[in-house]
Parts: sequence; structure tokens; C-alpha cells
Amino acid sequence: EVQLVESGGGLEQPGGSLRLSCAASGFTFSTYSMNWVRQAPGKGLEWLSHITGSSGTVYYADSVKGRFTISRDNAKNSLYLQMNSLRVEDTAVYFCVRVGYVWDYDWWGQGTLVTVSS
Amino acid sequence: QSALTQPPSASGSPGQSVTISCTGTSSDVGGYNYVSWYQQQPGKAPKLLIYEVSTRPSGVPDRFSGSKSGNTASLTVSGLQAEDEADYYCTSYAGRKNVFGTGTKVTVL
Repeated sequence: EVQLVESGGGLEQPGGSLRLSCAASGFTFSTYSMNWVRQAPGKGLEWLSHITGSSGTVYYADSVKGRFTISRDNAKNSLYLQMNSLRVEDTAVYFCVRVGYVWDYDWWGQGTLVTVSS
Repeated sequence: QSALTQPPSASGSPGQSVTISCTGTSSDVGGYNYVSWYQQQPGKAPKLLIYEVSTRPSGVPDRFSGSKSGNTASLTVSGLQAEDEADYYCTSYAGRKNVFGTGTKVTVL
């Protein structure tokens, strides 16, 4: 069965950095595009970033462009999100998601909580 | 990019139908047939219900259906059941990005 397991969340101060990881299993990871989506406490979902299977194409939401970097290691079946210059408003649960067909998400991880606070 | 507009809440009695709208622009909902819908139970990750406007993944009951007209997409839940009480989100491809809706809380009365 498909599994996506995020890790790396935690408490960080404003201006700090965190690196989220997502371990994928149960499917041929390299053939799927992957995204990161987040959800602030009590709020809605927000798309953050997209990466194709070959890492040839990446896209970012304006809210994180220049601060976050998406990457993947197909040999390790892993997706990453490097988050720099963190802000209080980056506090959220971060989900790793698989793109199933065309920019829709057929599998979701359980999420990892990132809290940015001084 | 602004979020797609959904009503904050919707409700219906068991067995009834409820329809949730998702309004965007010609740059997202109206410009592509790549609208999908998700159900999120409290404390859980979202689950895909509909993709490409009206296609249901295997395992999703046919009580869930999607449609689109112009810049507005809709999700209809027919034959409401207690377990349908959840938050529902639409999303649309918008050219090198995805945009989520504001979310709708469905209450089964």
C-alpha cells in the first residue's frame, strides 16, 4: 500500500530554518510528481510547491518563493522541503502529497507540525 | 493568487442532498478542467473525492458527484450519511500552481 510519512517538524524561531522529509513507499516514487501542502491551525489548505518525478520542473506559491526549496531523491524514495527565513505565519501542519492524475492528490501523508515562535 | 470561494457551511438531514459551490476565475476553475474535491475529517489528512471536475477515484461512493459551469465548480453529496459530516475543499489548477478553496463545513442534521 502507498505510504507517505513526513518528519522534521518542530518548534523553530522566526528567521530560522527547518528541513522536512517525506519517506514514500508502496509505489514507483520516481514516476510521480509530488507536492507539499500546508494547513495552519484551524484554517484551510494551502498549496506550497510542486516537483516533477525527474526534478526537472519545480513550482512555488508566492508565499514561499525564495524561502522554501522543494527537492527529491528518487534513489531514497524521499521528498524534501527546505524552509528558510521562517515566519510566524508559516506555523502549520505540512502534508506531503502524491499527484495522482493532473494536479490532484490521491495520497496524503499524516502531516508534520511546524511551529514558528519566539 | 486568491483562494477559491466556497460557502463556509452547508447542512442537510440524512438522506437529503447538499451541494457545495467553488467559485474562481477564468484563470483557474474556468480555464481548466482540473478541479478536484477533498473531504477532511477532524484531525485527519484530506481524502480525494473527485478529480478532473467529475471523475471519482475507485472506492469513492457514487453519492459524490462533481460538475462545473463557467468559473464555478460544484460538489453534490446525495443521500447524506452521518459519516459525511466533514470539511470539504475544492482545488483547481491555475497554470503552474494549484489554488485551494476556502473550505466548507458540512453538518448532517
